[in-house]
Amino acid sequence: DTGVSQDPRHKITKRGQNVTFRCDPISEHNRLYWYRQTLGQGPEFLTYFQNEAQLEKSRLLSDRFSAERPKGSFSTLEIQRTEQGDSAMYLCASSSKGGNSGNTIYFGEGSWLTVV
Amino acid sequence: AQKVTQAQTEISVVEKEDVTLDCVYETRDTTYYLFWYKQPPSGELVFLIRRNSFDEQNEISGRYSWNFQKSTSSFNFTITASQVVDSAVYFCALRGNTGTASKLTFGTGTRLQVTL
Repeated sequence: DTGVSQDPRHKITKRGQNVTFRCDPISEHNRLYWYRQTLGQGPEFLTYFQNEAQLEKSRLLSDRFSAERPKGSFSTLEIQRTEQGDSAMYLCASSSKGGNSGNTIYFGEGSWLTVV
Repeated sequence: AQKVTQAQTEISVVEKEDVTLDCVYETRDTTYYLFWYKQPPSGELVFLIRRNSFDEQNEISGRYSWNFQKSTSSFNFTITASQVVDSAVYFCALRGNTGTASKLTFGTGTRLQVTL
C-alpha cells in the first residue's frame, strides 16, 4: 500500500498524559499536512511542512502541540498534557512536489484520540 | 477569508435515485481550486475530484458528475443511480492561491444515506 499511513489508528489516554502520532506520507511527496476533525465537522488545518521545514501553523495549534518532520519524510504530532477537548481525529495528508498549489492532497485514515 | 458552505447536513435516498450535494464557496482569490472528498465510516478521506477556477467545464466520471458555476460560486456534486456503497459523508473543500496556498478549507460535510 503506497497511501498515507498513520499510527496508531486509535488511542485512548488519560487526561494529562502525552500522546504522539506518526504519519508516513506517500513516497516522494514533499508536502505534509496535519488536520484535526471533530464529530460533525469538516477537517481543520493544523500545520504543514515542505520537506523538513514547518511553514505554517494554525491558531488551533496550542503550545501543547508540536509537530516535527526531521528528515523530510515521516512526521510526528505530539500532544502534551492532553485535555478532553483534544479528543478528535487527527488526519495526516501529503501532496506531490511542485509549486502548483492546486496539487491534490491525499489523506490517511486518521488517528482517533479519546481523552478520558 | 475563505469559506465553504454545505447547507445539507444529511440526505437520505433510496437506491437508484439520483442525488445532488450542494457546495457554495467564498474566496477573494482569482485563482483557486475546488475539491470533493468522500469519508466512509472508516474515516479516510478519499479524493474524488479537483477543479481549477479557470476551468468551468463540467465533468462526468461514471455515476458521478460535477457542476461548477463560477457565477454563483457553486460546485455541486451529483450521484446518478445511487448505491448503498455511496453512503458516506461528502466534503467540499477550497484551496486558494495566496497566503497559505497549501491550506484546504472544508465545509461541514453532507451525510448521504442510501437505503435499499
